Amino acid sequence: DAGVTQSPTHLIKTRGQQVTLRCSPKSGHDTVSWYQQALGQGPQFIFQYYEEEERQRGNFPDRFSGHQFPNYSSELNVNALLLGDSALYLCASSLGGWWEDNTAYGYTFGSGTRLTVV
Amino acid sequence: EDKVVQSPLSLVVHEGDTVTLNCSYEVTNFRSLLWYKQEKKAPTFLFMLTSSGIEKKSGRLSSILDKKELFSILNITATQTGDSAIYLCAVEALDQGAQKLVFGQGTRLTINP
Repeated sequence: DAGVTQSPTHLIKTRGQQVTLRCSPKSGHDTVSWYQQALGQGPQFIFQYYEEEERQRGNFPDRFSGHQFPNYSSELNVNALLLGDSALYLCASSLGGWWEDNTAYGYTFGSGTRLTVV
Repeated sequence: EDKVVQSPLSLVVHEGDTVTLNCSYEVTNFRSLLWYKQEKKAPTFLFMLTSSGIEKKSGRLSSILDKKELFSILNITATQTGDSAIYLCAVEALDQGAQKLVFGQGTRLTINP
């Protein structure tokens, strides 16, 4: 299966620490977006990477940063962790260009990384 | 600010019932509206809607979009326990030359046998 792969699946960190989450996109996809999903909430857009650059950013502080590699995989880094950063972090891959309205559309989500900050 | 609101936030019904989930939005540069089912972690794609009034169907699920009134509904008929999940509505918006998904809070659907 060439779906989106995220690692690790679970992570426990202490306040103030730094964390790196990883995402490998679906085969053929070139764009990676990161979302934060707090318990009981919908996913919130963090940022999107395309051609190794941050193309768009949501309303998240600079403690959240990322990177995209030439093979389209991506990392999400969070510095100075706060208790409120505890959430499910989802990665979604897609194609950066235009597409047709068909069942193959779209964004493919990974299973996420569950981050707990204590 | 782009906003997507889903209702109800939680719904409990009996197996066999029909349910309707609602999604309203206020988004600049609308491109499409998507419905996802989230059972454990990864949201799985259900529908993408771009045109008003055209119903999309997949088995017992169907969805329609009203771009004038800025809302969409997701219908599930003859519900089964396997339909229990969180249903997410997301609007794809074009912003700063790139597309992003704006999600609602989700509707937690519980189907009791």
